[in-house]
Amino acid sequence: DTEVTQTPKHLVMGMTNKKSLKCEQHMGHRAMYWYKQKAKKPPELMFVYSYEKLSINESVPSRFSPECPNSSLLNLHLHALQPEDSALYLCASSTRAHAETQYFGPGTRLLVL
Amino acid sequence: SQQGEEDPQALSIQEGENATMNCSYKTSINNLQWYRQNSGRGLVHLILIRSNEREKHSGRLRVTLDTSKKSSSLLITASRAADTASYFCANAGGTSYGKLTFGQGTILTVHP
Repeated sequence: DTEVTQTPKHLVMGMTNKKSLKCEQHMGHRAMYWYKQKAKKPPELMFVYSYEKLSINESVPSRFSPECPNSSLLNLHLHALQPEDSALYLCASSTRAHAETQYFGPGTRLLVL
Repeated sequence: SQQGEEDPQALSIQEGENATMNCSYKTSINNLQWYRQNSGRGLVHLILIRSNEREKHSGRLRVTLDTSKKSSSLLITASRAADTASYFCANAGGTSYGKLTFGQGTILTVHP
């Protein structure tokens, strides 16, 4: 299995909702990432997990809360989001955080109303 | 965070022609990578060139790296309509393990 899966593919939520994005990989990778991508812009790193521990937080607002329950799963919990948080959220993994190639999932397209 | 620049921002060519995209970056790098993104989907890794390499080939792809000018180029030869996508360079900086900094991207359209 050489793919990263993300659910849901699309999500519409209100500013008072709580929702979660899920990411899964079964490649034995020990580093996982969340990126945010606005339309016509490059991906921007949000968080890096290395061996299930948070190693990089790019000063992301606390309304985004990452969680890595085990080496195969990565969640992004969303609460009290703003309309400007609407974007494509991409998950990626790599063999380890020092590794070079990152493998990306198809993304979750989020719309905040 | 600093992001590199890519040019052109958009490139439109006919099938069979070659496409060249350029990328500049600002910090020191361990390696530079190129990714492709089809409309609104995930990124696919294409090729990686290390800081001590100058040129690398993979199928129809050729990547060059000039660390003195902090620039890289991606050449796609004999392009196909299926190559239509956005192309991003990404540099892996010296000490920020796991952190890729992406360029602004080039939108390539290949007309059949």
